[in-house]
Order: sequence, then structure tokens, then C-alpha cells
Amino acid sequence: SYELTQPPSVSVSPGQTARITCSGDALPKQYAYWYQQKPGQAPVLVIYKDSERPSGIPERFSGSSSGTTVTLTISGVQAEDEADYYCQSADSSGTPYVVFGGGTKLTVL
Amino acid sequence: QVQLVQSGAEVKKPGASVKVSCKASGYTFTSYDINWVRQATGQGLEWMGWMNPNSGNTGYAQKFQGRVTMTRNTSISTAYMELSSLRSEDTAVYYCARGLTGTTMSYYYYYMDVWGKGTTVTVSS
Repeated sequence: SYELTQPPSVSVSPGQTARITCSGDALPKQYAYWYQQKPGQAPVLVIYKDSERPSGIPERFSGSSSGTTVTLTISGVQAEDEADYYCQSADSSGTPYVVFGGGTKLTVL
Repeated sequence: QVQLVQSGAEVKKPGASVKVSCKASGYTFTSYDINWVRQATGQGLEWMGWMNPNSGNTGYAQKFQGRVTMTRNTSISTAYMELSSLRSEDTAVYYCARGLTGTTMSYYYYYMDVWGKGTTVTVSS
């Protein structure tokens, strides 16, 4: 197995840009995905395959990948974006093996 | 609409087993994997394993092998996760989630696009 590393917390003022990183040695060979989780709620997929946005997710959410690091960017952060964000990747050496990052708490100041 | 409806909260004693259900609707149950993910209070997401509802094939995270069993009843579009030999550290919210898999541009993908609301399992003497 392998690990995905995220910063525990990121803080940003409303209207600014938030960037949350996720690092892992396997990321150059694997897609990454991002989930948003608000208190008391189930996770919601916000980015898949590094940079694709599911329908219904605001355009201010975007994803990018460079080497061993993937980044979730939230442009023009709003108060409602305050949440925990988790990156995820998956290995397929025969059958799927899913790994989550430790999560990042995004605080909107 | 696509949704996963989970069974209600459970309270179990140490050493007991718990079985959580996840009923799918709004899509063909056998066309997508079902994953189970748990989250202890104040902690991150922890993947437990997956099941292919069509074949019944399963794969479990190493941490849970020998203690977890994932099954399904295709006639009622329901997946189950049973965890045995419960201990206090198993107290958590357990989620089921639909898994999408395939290959794009030679890259394998696997992610979860629809989640149940979660089932709280409390293990206490």
C-alpha cells in the first residue's frame, strides 16, 4: 500500500483562492479524486480523474496534477466552502485498492 | 434519482458482530461496485473494501481481512457489510458508496460518486 499526504489545515479569506495539496509517490501513475465533507454529512465528490468536475459542482472548484502532487483549487472561496477535503487514489494490482489522504480542514476566515 | 439508503444506528457489545445494509435505487445495482468506508469521530475516511454486486467478488483492506464480509442480495438491490469481533475502536460512522472503475488513456480509475448518509455503529460494554 502507499500513502497520500495532505496538510491538516488551510485558511483563506472569502473571495480569495484556496489551494489544498495532496502528495504521494504513486500519483504520477494514478488519477486523484477529491471529496468535500461538511460536519455531520457524507462526503461529496468534487473532482475526479485529477481535474474533471461532476455535474452540479461549482466552476470555482478545479483540480490539477504535477508529478507526485495533486492540487485542489477553490477560486473565490465562499463561506459555504468551509469543510474537510479528502484526496483519494486507487491502485489496481489485480483488484482495486483505495487510499484516502488524511484530510484538510478548510477554514474561511 | 440515484441514492443509497443505509440501515439505522446500531449499538453492540465488544466481541459481537454488526451487519449494515445499503439499499440502492435509481440505477442498475449490478452495474457498479459498492464500497464501504468508515469514519471515527473527528478522524479521517478509512476505506474498508469493495464488492462487485454482479459477480459477488470482494476485496478488503488488509486491516479488516478476516473480520469483514461484504455480501449482496441482487433481488432487492441491497449490499451488506458485516464486521465481527467488534472492539471499541470500531465505533464509527460506516458509509457505503458507489464505485466507478475503468481505464482512460491507459490510466486506471476508481472513485466513488454517490454515498449513503452513513450508519453509526457504537461498540460499548
